Amino acid sequence: EAQVTQNPRYLITVTGKKLTVTCSQNMNHEYMSWYRQDPGLGLRQIYYSMNVEVTDKGDVPEGYKVSRKEKRNFPLILESPSPNQTSLYFCASSLVAGGLSTDTQYFGPGTRLTVL
Amino acid sequence: DQQVKQNSPSLSVQEGRISILNCDYTNSMFDYFLWYKKYPAEGPTFLISISSIKDKNEDGRFTVFLNKSAKHLSLHIVPSQPGDSAVYFCAASEAGANSKLTFGKGITLSVRP
Repeated sequence: EAQVTQNPRYLITVTGKKLTVTCSQNMNHEYMSWYRQDPGLGLRQIYYSMNVEVTDKGDVPEGYKVSRKEKRNFPLILESPSPNQTSLYFCASSLVAGGLSTDTQYFGPGTRLTVL
Repeated sequence: DQQVKQNSPSLSVQEGRISILNCDYTNSMFDYFLWYKKYPAEGPTFLISISSIKDKNEDGRFTVFLNKSAKHLSLHIVPSQPGDSAVYFCAASEAGANSKLTFGKGITLSVRP
């Protein structure tokens, strides 16, 4: 089954304790992205990756890091989480055909993070 | 600066009637538009899309209309069903190598039995 998986699904942590949210896709997609969803703000892009070892900032990258060492995995790293990073996080992937942004993105189930 | 706007936060319709969800955008470089549906505790799922070279795209009960001159698109669901109750996000992207989607805030649709 084609899917995007995220782990953990729920996480409660404390300020400053480093954490990683994993994302994996089995569709051989080149493009992967992280979003956060906050009430009244919709989905905002944090980071994206065009391919292995190619990553770039989205709209709200502050406080986050990513890496893309393998095509299927795109972990999101919070080196020193703060309460304002409490949010619902989604990973997404898509097949970039010819470098054009016309392919739909498939989303993971989400990770609800609470930073105390 | 919000480039994709869904100004109505919620919509309630009777089962069997038409649901019309509206979306406006400000970036004239957007050339591809999508609607995603999201149920609680799940990720958004793709519903329907439209390229800027078209003004209408239909898929079963779902039709998206695009008015480029007005920078407006709408999603029509006919007939509406209780299972359509969800949050609907409008999204848009520019031509180019970055498949970045810019999302609206979403609208919560409730279909009453």
